[in-house]
Amino acid sequence: KAGVTQTPRYLIKTRGQQVTLSCSPISGHRSVSWYQQTPGQGLQFLFEYFSETQRNKGNFPGRFSGRQFSNSRSEMNVSTLELGDSALYLCASSPVGTSSYNEQFFGPGTRLTVL
Amino acid sequence: KQEVTQIPAALSVPEGENLVLNCSFTDSAIYNLQWFRQDPGKGLTSLLLIQSSQREQTSGRLNASLDKSSGRSTLYIAASQPGDSATYLCAVSGANNLFFGTGTRLTVIP
Repeated sequence: KAGVTQTPRYLIKTRGQQVTLSCSPISGHRSVSWYQQTPGQGLQFLFEYFSETQRNKGNFPGRFSGRQFSNSRSEMNVSTLELGDSALYLCASSPVGTSSYNEQFFGPGTRLTVL
Repeated sequence: KQEVTQIPAALSVPEGENLVLNCSFTDSAIYNLQWFRQDPGKGLTSLLLIQSSQREQTSGRLNASLDKSSGRSTLYIAASQPGDSATYLCAVSGANNLFFGTGTRLTVIP
């Protein structure tokens, strides 16, 4: 079974631009969660999607948004990029139901650098 | 808000040693606890998942324990190998998401 895939793996943008990251979950997994990892803040939860609906949201500004498609693939968008958005963005999928109850499987991440 | 702490932040051991990594959390109302491994610049690899009703889980040379009442978990690695060098993260599952610790960076010296 293929694992969680994320594209692109690396991205360089400049301040003010916007970016879209993509995540394909493990086949059959319906829940996709996104996390931001930085050296200063560690791993922080962004949001979770389940059956095309955002179910949970972390404490991030509205510049961070996402969506999920009918095939469970998810995209994350960051608008008006700031230097502090430079981070490793990880997505995780879990089988069914509430992600809290199920093991999460992580992708390799997208390394975003904002110049 | 759930706070997850991992001690020590970094650890160096000679190959072959047994070692213990610690994880503590402030809110005992968790659904499960997961231990992950992260290699530099890479994603997270799930090592062990302990449901809140369980006390421990084992996988090969790894053993994780959970004491919900005291808010603690330990990851025991037996007979460490250089390939075990990585950052180890614990995460506790609340109602809405995972709360991660800051990790322990392990170096196993050949």
